[in-house]
Amino acid sequence: EDQVTQSPEALRLQEGESSSLNCSYTVSGLRGLFWYRQDPGKGPEFLFTLYSAGEEKEKERLKATLTKKESFLHITAPKPEDSATYLCAVQAPVYSGGGADGLTFGKGTHLIIQP
Amino acid sequence: DAGITQSPRHKVTETGTPVTLRCHQTENHRYMYWYRQDPGHGLRLIHYSYGVKDTDKGEVSDGYSVSRSKTEDFLLTLESATSSQTSVYFCAISSATPWTGGTDNEQFFGPGTRLTVL
Repeated sequence: EDQVTQSPEALRLQEGESSSLNCSYTVSGLRGLFWYRQDPGKGPEFLFTLYSAGEEKEKERLKATLTKKESFLHITAPKPEDSATYLCAVQAPVYSGGGADGLTFGKGTHLIIQP
Repeated sequence: DAGITQSPRHKVTETGTPVTLRCHQTENHRYMYWYRQDPGHGLRLIHYSYGVKDTDKGEVSDGYSVSRSKTEDFLLTLESATSSQTSVYFCAISSATPWTGGTDNEQFFGPGTRLTVL
């Protein structure tokens, strides 16, 4: 069974204090690992897709990296507007059945950036 | 924003009544999905569709049915709502196709429907 574990569950940082969020996963034949941002009362907003170990992607203050067992979302010099819940999800190969084309999500990391 | 709308946005209903949630997209994407989000569980896949009249079950499909008669609409039905189905429901779409190399699998989510079953 595919599993995704995110840590920490919650993180409070001061503005400008860089940190990393972790997403560890167990899936046979990863098709893709996805990062989303979710604000209260809204749907998840797509950030990044990573497909193979060693891949990195950046967007503004965010950088996502991928190894064979985990992914990190690095936040550099965060601002209060970066406060949100960050979700990690994996997609299994199409042949694994049982909704294989859907995503399996972690429970998220609730990030608070204090001014 | 991806062209996804969900209706209704909020609904309160009573146990045992039927409920239908609608997802409408303007992107002409092949894949559509229904997820539910509950505290302590994260997002879980209910059903998905890979084309008109082509649907399959996800992780938590019991008590739910879906239909897709047009590319743009994906309906989720609770035949007889129960309190355990109180949740926030999200629709998602993807431009992925069975013939791509798997580099366009991103799913884009709608704004959600908050359903309360009393």
